[in-house]
Amino acid sequence: GAVVSQHPSWVICKSGTSVKIECRSLDFQATTMFWYRQFPKQSLMLMATSNEGSKATYEQGVEKDKFLINHASLTLSTLTVTSAHPEDSSFYICSALWTGGNTGELFFGEGSRLTVL
Amino acid sequence: AQSVAQPEDQVNVAEGNPLTVKCTYSVSGNPYLFWYVQYPNRGLQFLLKYITGDNLVKGSYGFEAEFNKSQTSFHLKKPSALVSDSALYFCAVKGLTTDSWGKLQFGAGTQVVVTP
Repeated sequence: GAVVSQHPSWVICKSGTSVKIECRSLDFQATTMFWYRQFPKQSLMLMATSNEGSKATYEQGVEKDKFLINHASLTLSTLTVTSAHPEDSSFYICSALWTGGNTGELFFGEGSRLTVL
Repeated sequence: AQSVAQPEDQVNVAEGNPLTVKCTYSVSGNPYLFWYVQYPNRGLQFLLKYITGDNLVKGSYGFEAEFNKSQTSFHLKKPSALVSDSALYFCAVKGLTTDSWGKLQFGAGTQVVVTP
């Protein structure tokens, strides 16, 4: 299957700093990527839809000024957690939409564990 | 609206015994159903999917799932569980006619614990 790479896998930062997480589709072009947040022992919560060349679409309750999303190319979307605070500590997962075939398919990154001290 | 229910928070099974992880869904029209597995601090790994066709779907690592339209279920099964199958399992559903993959609805997850 297709490969989606997420980097970094782990990041620890001080409160008030900003952290950037990258999501790359390595062997296909993805005009649409998704960002999720996952709390311990819980399901994935969709944060936003990242659209190449246009603004991201955020889910209700997600602060767009806190979680900046940029999708500047067909293989890269970035999530920047600005002025991070301990409550932003979480596991962040991205997925990329492959539109080949009749129905399309989502491929997931390995996730990024953010710890804010 | 779409929804997925995984009624069991955790399933415990002895190695070598059959494993079943339950999933029921609600969706308008025909469903597009998935099972994913997640190991600690890792992303989701695809196991199998159902779109149309044979109700019994075979997937990765010896897993299979049976689509039952009348019961709106898509239970995941493995005939003989391994300790390495211990992980968090997610069922997900999307309507075939739903354009947005952002609408892919995940269940709450079921923790599988396989004991030696």
